Amino acid sequence: AQTVTQSQPEMSVQEAETVTLSCTYDTSESNYYLFWYKQPPSRQMILVIRQEAYKQQNATENRFSVNFQKAAKSFSLKISDSQLGDTAMYFCAFIYNQGGKLIFGQGTELSVKP
Amino acid sequence: DAGITQSPRHKVTETGTPVTLRCHQTENHRYMYWYRQDPGHGLRLIHYSYGVKDTDKGEVSDGYSVSRSKTEDFLLTLESATSSQTSVYFCAISEQGKQETQYFGPGTRLLVL
Repeated sequence: AQTVTQSQPEMSVQEAETVTLSCTYDTSESNYYLFWYKQPPSRQMILVIRQEAYKQQNATENRFSVNFQKAAKSFSLKISDSQLGDTAMYFCAFIYNQGGKLIFGQGTELSVKP
Repeated sequence: DAGITQSPRHKVTETGTPVTLRCHQTENHRYMYWYRQDPGHGLRLIHYSYGVKDTDKGEVSDGYSVSRSKTEDFLLTLESATSSQTSVYFCAISEQGKQETQYFGPGTRLLVL
């Protein structure tokens, strides 16, 4: 079975500092995709970053970057220069067949403090 | 913005009543999905569609049915709502050629009393 685990239910960080959110997954598939979604208090699910498993290069999107360790099945999200607007629930997600279901972790609630 | 709207955004209903939630997209995407979000479970797939009249079950499909009679609309029906179906429901789409990446609508909060 495919599973996604986020071991940090809550985290906090000071504004302008850097924080890393952890995610591990379990799969026997060799080709898949990993995502981080952000869910602010508005409840909207916003795609933050996407990683293709066959690409060794870590994805980056402005202040957001990932550390993808395929052998370890680890996919952490680093947020640099944290801003108050980064306060949200962050979900790690995995998919192995296009057009199929996303498998989500339970989420990490991040608070950015002024 | 993937051009997805959901209606209603909030609904309160009573146990045993039928409920239909609507997902509407404006960009002719082939793939559409319904998820539910509950505390401690993240999001879980209910049903999905890969074209008009082509639908399939997800992992939590019991008690739900779907229909897709035209590309832009994907309907989720609770035939007889139960309190366990109190949840936030999200619709999602994925684009042709990038089916692995899903974009979500704003969600519908449903309370079944």
